[in-house]
Amino acid sequence: ETVLTQSPATLSLSPGERATLSCRASQSVSSYLAWYQQKPGQAPRLLIYDASNRATGIPARFSGSGSGTDFTLTINSLEPEDFAVYFCQQRSNWPCSFGQGTKLEIK
Amino acid sequence: QVQLVQSGAEVKKPGASVKVSCKTSGYTFTNYYMHWVRQAPGQGLEWMGVINPSDGTTSYAHKFQGRVTMTRDTSTSTVYMELRSLRVEDTAVYYCARGWESSSPTPLFDPWGQGTLVTVSS
Repeated sequence: ETVLTQSPATLSLSPGERATLSCRASQSVSSYLAWYQQKPGQAPRLLIYDASNRATGIPARFSGSGSGTDFTLTINSLEPEDFAVYFCQQRSNWPCSFGQGTKLEIK
Repeated sequence: QVQLVQSGAEVKKPGASVKVSCKTSGYTFTNYYMHWVRQAPGQGLEWMGVINPSDGTTSYAHKFQGRVTMTRDTSTSTVYMELRSLRVEDTAVYYCARGWESSSPTPLFDPWGQGTLVTVSS
């Protein structure tokens, strides 16, 4: 199984700052890497698919990059509603798998 | 709009079974695969399996094979996930999540149901 390791576990930033979240795969997942946002008590929401494509309705301040084993989610100019937990997920290798999440909290 | 509405919370004893439903609306039910993903308290996400609502075929993660059954009812546009021989460690929120791409089993999930908490405790 492909293990996804996210870092940092917790990221403390202020609104208006830029957030950079990392996801590293134990083996290549090509570009089949997605990012989800989860707020407390809610289901996850798809943000980015195939490493760099924003899902429908996702603001342009969210961007993804990377390929192979190293991926980054960048959130420019953080809004109050962006503070949440972010998961990466690969669908290249069966079974699909998720990272353990990065909690983005208000500093 | 697309909606996935799941059944309510359940409390079960070890060894029992649970069946969670996911009623869909706002799209053609048979055009999109449905996945089940669970999340233990304070933990990450774990894919359990997928069903093709068009013909009922399924694929399960090895971890759950033999204990899980996913079914569908096309007359009500509802999918079901039954998990048997429950253990304390099966305590989790169970989500149904629609496949993102029409007619494809690829595990990319959008949207998700609201989740169903299943608590397993003696």
